[in-house]
Amino acid sequence: RKEVEQDPGPFNVPEGATVAFNCTYSNSASQSFFWYRQDCRKEPKLLMSVYSSGNEDGRFTAQLNRASQYISLLIRDSKLSDSATYLCVVNLGTTDSWGKLQFGAGTQVVVTP
Amino acid sequence: DGGITQSPKYLFRKEGQNVTLSCEQNLNHDAMYWYRQDPGQGLRLIYYSQIVNDFQKGDIAEGYSVSREKKESFPLTVTSAQKNPTAFYLCASKDGSSYNSPLHFGNGTRLTVT
Repeated sequence: RKEVEQDPGPFNVPEGATVAFNCTYSNSASQSFFWYRQDCRKEPKLLMSVYSSGNEDGRFTAQLNRASQYISLLIRDSKLSDSATYLCVVNLGTTDSWGKLQFGAGTQVVVTP
Repeated sequence: DGGITQSPKYLFRKEGQNVTLSCEQNLNHDAMYWYRQDPGQGLRLIYYSQIVNDFQKGDIAEGYSVSREKKESFPLTVTSAQKNPTAFYLCASKDGSSYNSPLHFGNGTRLTVT
């Protein structure tokens, strides 16, 4: 089983609709979580960190469910520019884990007119 | 503006040649990383460095080498021993003040070996 798993998609979303997808992680000691956005043939860019209480940034909402070991990302009022691959990143966050950032393979979102 | 600069953006080499990818950051970050990304796959860690003059192997270090002589610089050499070097290479850095701080990426180098 992979340490971080994502549904690869694609999630085809009409413009203006809401889309949500999850990322599951296997290590219960994981301490910090992030969502990155990656456009085709570009570098990943930090979208948002995910906090225990959940957090929102404009149209984007991230949630953490420690009991079930997953994080989620919800995009409201989807724009064409939201089309990208969304990467989940999990960090063990312990003193010996500087190299232990685990990446999911990404969820592709395609917003259609 | 602070950031991470990778060069070149595209690199073409013949099989059997070593090649060095540059990564420079002016974010004053202690930790630096090299990742490799292949189509449809997640990022895989090649090497990382927490401090100058020290670095550790990641999950796929075979066929690669690094150095960390300066805080700002973390070059990656892809040697002829790397069996399948064609890939998208990403350099990243991280603030050392918190284990939970996010990664910041450079814009990547796309290496093609023929």
